[in-house]
Amino acid sequence: DTAVSQTPKYLVTQMGNDKSIKCEQNLGHDTMYWYKQDSKKFLKIMFSYNNKELIINETVPNRFSPKSPDKAHLNLHINSLELGDSAVYFCASRPRGGNSPLHFGNGTRLTVT
Amino acid sequence: GENVEQHPSTLSVQEGDSAVIKCTYSDSASNYFPWYKQELGKRPQLIIDIRSNVGEKKDQRIAVTLNKTAKHFSLHITETQPEDSAVYFCAASSPNTGNQFYFGTGTSLTVIP
Repeated sequence: DTAVSQTPKYLVTQMGNDKSIKCEQNLGHDTMYWYKQDSKKFLKIMFSYNNKELIINETVPNRFSPKSPDKAHLNLHINSLELGDSAVYFCASRPRGGNSPLHFGNGTRLTVT
Repeated sequence: GENVEQHPSTLSVQEGDSAVIKCTYSDSASNYFPWYKQELGKRPQLIIDIRSNVGEKKDQRIAVTLNKTAKHFSLHITETQPEDSAVYFCAASSPNTGNQFYFGTGTSLTVIP
């Protein structure tokens, strides 16, 4: 009964390919996020969705596109993968409003060769 | 946007000693400050949080203090144990930025048995 689940756990692919990572939460939260954690362990926000509306889009290349079919799902699609995209990608969710913690998924380790 | 700085980046302590990790933030409207622990290969997990109307919060061996005037907050772990070894992240959330979480750069804590 994992609260935030993402698939796949590992993803190894070649440069130039297109790939997707899926995320689902069963917490009834209104807001979902994608974070990128690089080799230095920095946690950088990429996107957030609030009730299917994109409300934050940091300086992320447009090769990355979030897709949210409903408020329980936020998928990440990546086009034309580059070596620098190798990282761990975490999905997270939280209720609407402040003063509440993020709940993270288990992460997807993406390796681009 | 918010800028969160975290120190030290690495910390080694003897088992049984205390560990202190410090963070500063820039947005005076920030009102929620969670701390996350990330073990190797796992997702960040909330260990304690504090809201801006409180100066200190304790949970067994873990405590967090907040100084709103100075815009800094700290994590204190007492009687450290080897299982406390992990990377710890502070974060700040402000209504000025849609309650988005801004994370510190992490502290790698090693508890030496």
